[in-house]
Amino acid sequence: SQTIHQWPATLVQPVGSPLSLECTVEGTSNPNLYWYRQAAGRGLQLLFYSVGIGQISSEVPQNLSASRPQDRQFILSSKKLLLSDSGFYLCAWSGQDYGYTFGSGTRLTVV
Amino acid sequence: AQSVSQHNHHVILSEAASLELGCNYSYGGTVNLFWYVQYPGQHLQLLLKYFSGDPLVKGIKGFEAEFIKSKFSFNLRKPSVQWSDTAEYFCAVSRPFGGATNKLIFGTGTLLAVQP
Repeated sequence: SQTIHQWPATLVQPVGSPLSLECTVEGTSNPNLYWYRQAAGRGLQLLFYSVGIGQISSEVPQNLSASRPQDRQFILSSKKLLLSDSGFYLCAWSGQDYGYTFGSGTRLTVV
Repeated sequence: AQSVSQHNHHVILSEAASLELGCNYSYGGTVNLFWYVQYPGQHLQLLLKYFSGDPLVKGIKGFEAEFIKSKFSFNLRKPSVQWSDTAEYFCAVSRPFGGATNKLIFGTGTLLAVQP
């Protein structure tokens, strides 16, 4: 069966520090991968999506970037965190049946 | 651009009351429609989905939703809510022929609090 792993679960980082959140998928190949951010009162905002290795599309301009170095690995990064980057980050994947599976999320607090 | 509107941001109901949460989307073509739920401290879970066929869709835990194409709506309903339904509910839309991306666009969510 397909599973999705996301870590860490919680993270507290100072302003200006770098960020790396990792997401890996098991049990499927060539999935579409997504990073979402859930901020209080703003629902789930799609940040990045990827349809293949090295292929990244950004949905909103921001301080973050994403990379897909392997078929089932999706990384969210920042060189210098801002206070406004705080939020709950969710990784997800989808397959041919249009179903989505979400990771357990990372709660990021920038202080 | 495709968008999803959930007009009720915060709903408070008593147990046994009926629930209807509104969802409207802006895209005029063929869409796939979803309702997700996030219970406190838990992952997002799929409540129900509509791809085609009967516009009245039954989901888990007694929830249902009706797709009304002419109104671009996919409202979520439950005849009698329970305290355990307290959660945040998200409507979402994707385009089945929107290229390889299958992007899922979410509404801003509705926080439901059910009082015992």
